[in-house]
Amino acid sequence: DAKTTQPPSMDCAEGRAANLPCNHSTISGNEYVYWYRQIHSQGPQYIIHGLKNNETNEMASLIITEDRKSSTLILPHATLRDTAVYYCSPNAGGTSYGKLTFGQGTILTVHP
Amino acid sequence: DGGITQSPKYLFRKEGQNVTLSCEQNLNHDAMYWYRQDPGQGLRLIYYSQIVNDFQKGDIAEGYSVSREKKESFPLTVTSAQKNPTAFYLCASKGTGSSRREKLFFGSGTQLSVL
Repeated sequence: DAKTTQPPSMDCAEGRAANLPCNHSTISGNEYVYWYRQIHSQGPQYIIHGLKNNETNEMASLIITEDRKSSTLILPHATLRDTAVYYCSPNAGGTSYGKLTFGQGTILTVHP
Repeated sequence: DGGITQSPKYLFRKEGQNVTLSCEQNLNHDAMYWYRQDPGQGLRLIYYSQIVNDFQKGDIAEGYSVSREKKESFPLTVTSAQKNPTAFYLCASKGTGSSRREKLFFGSGTQLSVL
């Protein structure tokens, strides 16, 4: 199974960029990196995904290293509502439909 | 609107009792999943099903059982063999088409507590 490593917690000031790293050194060549976030006591929600190119959508940007062993989720202007647990997963999406797993996630706290 | 519905939101179990958590989706997804989340912990996979009448054990299947008789439904039973059932349970579904953009959709969760 692909494994991920994320820092357990991070802090960010409101209005500043939040950069959340994820190590997925065992990712397979055809596996996409997916990011989800979970606000307290709710179900996780999809944020963004990518294979090897950087991606951007209305919620965030995703930077994937050339060797694909790590990625960084960027929230360009963090708000208090971005306080949540952020999960990266190398297989929680795409054509993978077997055993989809998540790591421990990063608790992001955005301060006023 | 299409989505995935879990019920009830809160559930209490007595000692030695089996309880069943409901999960229904109208997204026409083939694959469905059950995860367990303990306070301050990540998501751990209990069971998953890729197609009707078929399901596989995840990482922590002991003390749980599932069925997949209909495409839209994937109920989870927490049996009396599960000695520490207090947790937040999440159901998810995903399409299994050829698109690489298939993402997981999660329900809003069920909080199970032991009386």
